[in-house]
Amino acid sequence: QKEVEQDPGPLSVPEGAIVSLNCTYSNSAFQYFMWYRQYSRKGPELLMYTYSSGNKEDGRFTAQVDKSSKYISLFIRDSQPSDSATYLCAMMRDTGRRALTFGSGTRLQVQP
Amino acid sequence: DAGITQSPRHKVTETGTPVTLRCHQTENHRYMYWYRQDPGHGLRLIHYSYGVKDTDKGEVSDGYSVSRSKTEDFLLTLESATSSQTSVYFCAISEEGSGEKLFFGSGTQLSVL
Repeated sequence: QKEVEQDPGPLSVPEGAIVSLNCTYSNSAFQYFMWYRQYSRKGPELLMYTYSSGNKEDGRFTAQVDKSSKYISLFIRDSQPSDSATYLCAMMRDTGRRALTFGSGTRLQVQP
Repeated sequence: DAGITQSPRHKVTETGTPVTLRCHQTENHRYMYWYRQDPGHGLRLIHYSYGVKDTDKGEVSDGYSVSRSKTEDFLLTLESATSSQTSVYFCAISEEGSGEKLFFGSGTQLSVL
């Protein structure tokens, strides 16, 4: 079983829709939770990062972490065609080897 | 891409040949990483470095070696390439104390025939 599970999609939505992307994890030691966005043929770029539980908002993006359920989410409001990309969740422990563990990514297509 | 250059961008090689991929950064960041990305597996850590000549293994290090003789350069070597090493390889960097914030290069598409 993978430490981080993510639905690969693809997820297709109309422009303006609210998008919900999710990951589940099994390692309770994870304390840092990130969302990376990756456009086709490009490297991933950091979109959102949260330490421990709670919500974080940045413009149209909201990241939520529920450590009791081992579940994280990324919400995109008023989705745009430019949001079409693969979204990767990533997690890291607070101690020991501080390297990220990534989900396999969800491909999102926003239709104009 | 945050001052990170990977070379080559594309490479086709034959099984059994040695291959070296290069990552060069201009950010003077202490930490450098090599990941591979495969469908269904996401990004998996191969090796990372926390300083010149200081390296450690990741989760998929078998068949790979690395070297870091200068802060700005991190080399990944496949000693004897196999078809299972066909993948997209990404280099990433991070500042000390910010391991959650990785900056990635544009990747190298490697095909082993």
